[in-house]
Amino acid sequence: SQQGEEDPQALSIQEGENATMNCSYKTSINNLQWYRQNSGRGLVHLILIRSNEREKHSGRLRVTLDTSKKSSSLLITASRAADTASYFCATDTGTASKLTFGTGTRLQVTL
Amino acid sequence: DGGITQSPKYLFRKEGQNVTLSCEQNLNHDAMYWYRQDPGQGLRLIYYSQIVNDFQKGDIAEGYSVSREKKESFPLTVTSAQKNPTAFYLCASKPQGSIYEQYFGPGTRLTVT
Repeated sequence: SQQGEEDPQALSIQEGENATMNCSYKTSINNLQWYRQNSGRGLVHLILIRSNEREKHSGRLRVTLDTSKKSSSLLITASRAADTASYFCATDTGTASKLTFGTGTRLQVTL
Repeated sequence: DGGITQSPKYLFRKEGQNVTLSCEQNLNHDAMYWYRQDPGQGLRLIYYSQIVNDFQKGDIAEGYSVSREKKESFPLTVTSAQKNPTAFYLCASKPQGSIYEQYFGPGTRLTVT
């Protein structure tokens, strides 16, 4: 089952602009994680935010978590062409640290 | 992808044949996971293992089998009972504990005709 739904499904922006992706989920979580996937490749972990945290930063990435709304957002600032990829949120509900992935947002950054 | 290898990168099989996908990690991680990804979709959990000689079914285990005889290795067999086996298969591992992320291998693309 897909716990997370991401919005938008696809996003096209120009280099230098900010990109915002949203994730909604259904059940209580231990933490929420964001991953990136380049076409045909494995996933790369970007950031993990725990259920008792509201915001986290890592370089050009900013993640927020609102557990009352069961939603999270990923902001990529000053995007680059190399940021072109699919981005997935994944929720950890604490059972054996299994992750349930959303459907992903495909980001295209053009020059 | 560091530390987790999956082989081969591409695999082709005829319908009715079983096929085993390899996953090896040298990160000394206790937990390992197998996911399936279909085009334009997120990942779905097939099987996972938290310790050697123990594994549990994920959300879509039917038609698949695994073993965990060594900490480093978690092979996945796609059996002929899997009705729609063509997909991208990803293996991951992580240390025990809830604060850690999963580390993914590069994936194996399986095509069954």
